[in-house]
Amino acid sequence: DGGITQSPKYLFRKEGQNVTLSCEQNLNHDAMYWYRQDPGQGLRLIYYSQIVNDFQKGDIAEGYSVSREKKESFPLTVTSAQKNPTAFYLCASTSQAGGSYEQYFGPGTRLTVT
Amino acid sequence: AQSVTQPDIHITVSEGASLELRCNYSYGATPYLFWYVQSPGQGLQLLLKYFSGDTLVQGIKGFEAEFKRSQSSFNLRKPSVHWSDAAEYFCAVGILEYGNKLVFGAGTILRVKS
Repeated sequence: DGGITQSPKYLFRKEGQNVTLSCEQNLNHDAMYWYRQDPGQGLRLIYYSQIVNDFQKGDIAEGYSVSREKKESFPLTVTSAQKNPTAFYLCASTSQAGGSYEQYFGPGTRLTVT
Repeated sequence: AQSVTQPDIHITVSEGASLELRCNYSYGATPYLFWYVQSPGQGLQLLLKYFSGDTLVQGIKGFEAEFKRSQSSFNLRKPSVHWSDAAEYFCAVGILEYGNKLVFGAGTILRVKS
């Protein structure tokens, strides 16, 4: 089955530690995205990547980093510089071909930092 | 700046009743509009999308939405709600010039009374 996988589903970390969230897709999509979801605020874009080895900051990139070494993978690192890291993180992807613009979402990772 | 407003944070309807969820957007160009649904702790599922053409679009699960350019609106409707429709609904606008990022509204939580 094609889709987007995110692991783990739940992640707990101590304050001051960096943590990396995994996102893998087997849809052969070119573009991948990371969003953060907080209650009552909808989803906000952290980073996105349209091709391998290239990525751009979204609206709330401070305290986060990403890499795109493979088309299938777009891991997100939440660094100790992120002031409020506890949130639900969603990865998405889209094909850039044929005018298809809808994004497909993974199941999400809930990160709790104490 | 692009933005999406969903005026209703919570809506409660009786099972079998009709539903309308409101969405207004602010975007200078022709919008690409989406409605997504999210069950608690899950990722987002695409309900329907508008890119161009017929302003009344049909989606999955019996949902439809109407694009009204004069009102900058893209309201979601369903003629008869089922208990399984209880979830959170997000309206989003696609911003092509920024890697097709999605700008989301804050969401509307739908509760269905039996």
